Amino acid sequence: AQSVAQPEDQVKVAEGNPLTVKCTYSVSGNPYLFWYVQYPNRGLQFLLKYITGDNLVKGSYGFEAEFNKSQTSFHLKKPSALVSDSALYFCAVRDDNYGQNFVFGPGTRLSVLP
Amino acid sequence: NAGVTQTPKFQVLKTGQSMTLQCAQDMNHNSMYWYRQDPGMGLRLIYYSASEGTTDKGEVPNGYNVSRLNKREFSLRLESAAPSQTSVYFCARGPTPLHFGNGTRLTVT
Repeated sequence: AQSVAQPEDQVKVAEGNPLTVKCTYSVSGNPYLFWYVQYPNRGLQFLLKYITGDNLVKGSYGFEAEFNKSQTSFHLKKPSALVSDSALYFCAVRDDNYGQNFVFGPGTRLSVLP
Repeated sequence: NAGVTQTPKFQVLKTGQSMTLQCAQDMNHNSMYWYRQDPGMGLRLIYYSASEGTTDKGEVPNGYNVSRLNKREFSLRLESAAPSQTSVYFCARGPTPLHFGNGTRLTVT
C-alpha cells in the first residue's frame, strides 16, 4: 500500500529566504505526486503535481517541487518566501496500482517570519 | 471551492444523533471522495465513488455510510454519532488532481 511521510511538523523561515518542505513516499507502482496548501478554515488548494516527465515541476504562487525517484522524495521549494505563504502544506501520492486512492501526509505547518 | 459545495459548514451533535453531510459538484466528473482531517494525521479517506451508483470503502469507513444517487451529489451519513467522529470533513472531486470543498466542522458531544 502507498504511504506518505512529511518528517517535519513545522518549518520556520525568514521572509525572503528560500524554503523547503520535505516529503517522502512509498508506492508499489508508479507514483503520481501532489502538493496542496491549506489556509485557515479553508479546503485544500492544489499547488502542483508530478505525473511523468521533467523531475522539476513548477506550480502556483512561485512554488516548485523536485521528484527524486532514487530517494523516493518530492520536496516542495520556493526561492524567496513570503509571509503570505504561511499555511499548512500537504503532500499526497496516488499509486497507479491502486486506482483512484489518494493518500495524504500528516501536513507541515510553514511559518514565514517578517 | 473549485466547484465543490459542502453543507453545512458547522454542526454540533449529541452522541447518538444522526446527520447527513451534503456535497455537490458543479462539473460532470465521475470520481468523488470523502475525507476527514484530524490534527497531526493529515486527511484520511472515508469513502470514495468512482462513478455514479458505485462506492468503495477507504481507510476509515466504520460509523459512516455514503450515497451517490447521481453524478453531482455524494452524501456522507453518520447514523449514530460518536465523540470520535469529531473532525473536519472534506468532500473532493476528481479526476487527478483532487479539488476540495471548504469543509464541514463537526463536533460530537
